[in-house]
Amino acid sequence: DSGVTQTPKHLITATGQRVTLRCSPRSGDLSVYWYQQSLDQGLQFLIQYYNGEERAKGNILERFSAQQFPDLHSELNLSSLELGDSALYFCASSPRVASGAYEQYFGPGTRLTVT
Amino acid sequence: GNSVTQMEGPVTLSEEAFLTINCTYTATGYPSLFWYVQYPGEGLQLLLKATKADDKGSNKGFEATYRKETTSFHLEKGSVQVSDSAVYFCALSDRDSSASKIIFGSGTRLSIRP
Repeated sequence: DSGVTQTPKHLITATGQRVTLRCSPRSGDLSVYWYQQSLDQGLQFLIQYYNGEERAKGNILERFSAQQFPDLHSELNLSSLELGDSALYFCASSPRVASGAYEQYFGPGTRLTVT
Repeated sequence: GNSVTQMEGPVTLSEEAFLTINCTYTATGYPSLFWYVQYPGEGLQLLLKATKADDKGSNKGFEATYRKETTSFHLEKGSVQVSDSAVYFCALSDRDSSASKIIFGSGTRLSIRP
């Protein structure tokens, strides 16, 4: 158990809908990262937050957005869903944003199926 | 930009065989290097890490040595078990970046036959 929690575990929804994925980082970790894992694209970095502020963006679509709240939990919002958005979405946390030496701890993921 | 290249899978071995999964990287500066493992139906777990040249990371019988001269971080295990069946990801983190983003390789699926 990494200490990172994600809800829900599974989500099935229809095209065009909007969903929210939730992540709680490990106790004391200030950075939260979101990743998308699909069969054809592998593990893609989406976005990073540090102590409530966005710090880095990866391959995140405009239809997707995220935020980190004062209690440090984070939410990833996916809207106008398409079939191709079906994937595993992982959240990870790490203690600090500075210094790339810090490893990340991953949650169990949310499996999103868009039908 | 920074990148990680690892050997394509799937890799299938018999129990007790010797394992090597190759990983090479391209990076500016002095990245930290990691191996993560993903067991079926689970998230990624940190397996081992090395933060500077010639460091050897080790865990659960796995080891990898940070080779700056060959820009490599190959994963090895002397005797694999069925329970080692998983997907293995090589990764790097750019310590000079203001955001500690980790760049992952494409993953190598390992299957161990009893």
